Amino acid sequence: DQQVKQNSPSLSVQEGRISILNCDYTNSMFDYFLWYKKYPAEGPTFLISISSIKDKNEDGRFTVFLNKSAKHLSLHIVPSQPGDSAVYFCAAHSGAGSYQLTFGKGTKLSVIP
Amino acid sequence: ETGVTQTPRHLVMGMTNKKSLKCEQHLGHNAMYWYKQSAKKPLELMFVYNFKEQTENNSVPSRFSPECPNSSHLFLHLHTLQPEDSALYLCASSQDGGRYEQYFGPGTRLTVT
Repeated sequence: DQQVKQNSPSLSVQEGRISILNCDYTNSMFDYFLWYKKYPAEGPTFLISISSIKDKNEDGRFTVFLNKSAKHLSLHIVPSQPGDSAVYFCAAHSGAGSYQLTFGKGTKLSVIP
Repeated sequence: ETGVTQTPRHLVMGMTNKKSLKCEQHLGHNAMYWYKQSAKKPLELMFVYNFKEQTENNSVPSRFSPECPNSSHLFLHLHTLQPEDSALYLCASSQDGGRYEQYFGPGTRLTVT
């Protein structure tokens, strides 16, 4: 059973608009969350992370929001650019001493010029 | 070379062959990982090495055999694979386990015929 779910396999957004990618998790032991971006023929690239003690983390055009009670996080990209077109993976970590990251299946974002 | 490198990038092998995948990280990290990404599935962690010691083995069949001679190099030895083992194999490294982000190589696209 999937512990990290990205229910939208794909998303299309106009250039300049906001992209919102969603992720839900079921394991309440997860306490650190990460977003990765992946272009074709490349490995995933770390984008932004958030600890469970925060509800928001911002880095330039990228903001991650965490709602612990809903076990939900989202990645906002504002403004979206064509170069943001990629597959975005949500990942979760369950605390010190464990090396395991649990990944979602990914959402393919297409930013239309 | 910078980051995490993997060779070969593509590999086609028969079910009776023996081959090895190589990963090298130039980031001074202590932990290294092998992941498998099959079509339409999340990334699956296979093995973790921390300071050259294997710390996790996620019930991977014995036809996959990892080797970590030092903190910078990681190998995945393959023998008598099955067609369902065809996938993208990704190597990653991190400063340590726990909350540190993992940095991925570009992957080896493996096809078993």
